Order: sequence, then structure tokens, then C-alpha cells
Amino acid sequence: EPEVTQTPSHQVTQMGQEVILRCVPISNHLYFYWYRQILGQKVEFLVSFYNNEISEKSEIFDDQFSVERPDGSNFTLKIRSTKLEDSAMYFCASQGLAGAQETQYFGPGTRLLVL
Amino acid sequence: AQSVTQLGSHVSVSEGALVLLRCNYSSSVPPYLFWYVQYPNQGLQLLLKYTTGATLVKGINGFEAEFKKSETSFHLTKPSAHMSDAAEYFCAVRPSGGSNYKLTFGKGTLLTVNP
Repeated sequence: EPEVTQTPSHQVTQMGQEVILRCVPISNHLYFYWYRQILGQKVEFLVSFYNNEISEKSEIFDDQFSVERPDGSNFTLKIRSTKLEDSAMYFCASQGLAGAQETQYFGPGTRLLVL
Repeated sequence: AQSVTQLGSHVSVSEGALVLLRCNYSSSVPPYLFWYVQYPNQGLQLLLKYTTGATLVKGINGFEAEFKKSETSFHLTKPSAHMSDAAEYFCAVRPSGGSNYKLTFGKGTLLTVNP
């Protein structure tokens, strides 16, 4: 069964460093998302991406964040200068077709720890 | 704006007992509703969803949920808990119309199943 994959599963970084989180969505899916979950808090929407551009972003997704689909298969989230409060589990998701009834498929997540 | 409230961050049941996980939502437009499950070290997996049609929805692993508009609820149930049901469960909501497909999640409920 097709699945969303994410790498790395865990990442530890120093405050101020850049990190890139990688995701491989399900092949032929068109809509891509990043969510995050700070320990003990809700899963929060960060950004959605369609047709090679951001379709929506939350207030969390400031200038320190960027997304890219560099090669037609990977979907990346970059944090330019990490802060302590960026420590969280980051989930990638993809959706095949347009429509709010369609299912989003999630990856296993990357646990980011900023020291 | 939409929001989801999951009553009880931790629910503990005995094997064979009824599982009831509560979810209430707030939405200014008719929503679509989802339950996701997260097993340890895995991604979010869709259990079931309500979009249109029958308000009692059956999902995987014997779970079901009923959409009650008058109560703004979408509680998840399973008649008889199994040890393998131990996981974290997330309720999520999404607007039924428009092109905004982001999910708004509750804080999650950790289900423990005791032998």
C-alpha cells in the first residue's frame, strides 16, 4: 500500500541552525501539507502546497519557514534559523484529489529537537 | 473558524469493554469530520470520516462514529476493546466547502487498554 515517508525520523540541532525536513508523498498525489505537534499540544496546520505554490499558510509559518518540491517527488520543509520553540513533531501529508471529502495521508513524522 | 474539543486526554478501559472517545466541534459552516489514530512511532492513520450521507459511519478495526449535528458531536466508539487498540486518537474537522483543505485537530486522547 502506498505511504508517505519522512526523513529523518529524529533530528537534533542547535538553535540558529538550518534544518531541512524531507517527505516523499504518495505518488500521483497533488496536494501536500506540513503539520506540527508540540509536545502535549494539538496537531497544528503549517502550510499547504499545490501546483508548485503555497495555497495556504498559518500564522506559525513565518519567514523562517519555506517549502519546496525540488524534483517532483520530494517535498521539503526548511527552517532557516531554528528556535527552541520549533522543537516538535513535524508531519507531512498528501492528498490525491481536490475536495474536502478526500483523505489526507500522513507520514510517520520527524521529531525535531532544538537545543 | 473551526475548533475541536476532545474530552479526556487519557481514557483507560479494560479489554472487552466499550470504548467511547468524545469529540465536539465548533464550525460556522457544515464540517467534514475525521478520526485519526496514531500508534507508537507511526504516522496518523485515518480510522473513519463523515462527509455526507449516513450519520453513523463505520471505520477500520471495528470503530464507528456518529455525527450529531444538534449536539455538534462526533464521538468514536467500539463495542469491545482489544489490546491492539491502545494508541492516541485524534478528532479533526475541515470545512465542507471551498478550496481550504487543512485539517483542524483536537488535542488527542490516549487510549490505554488493560488486560
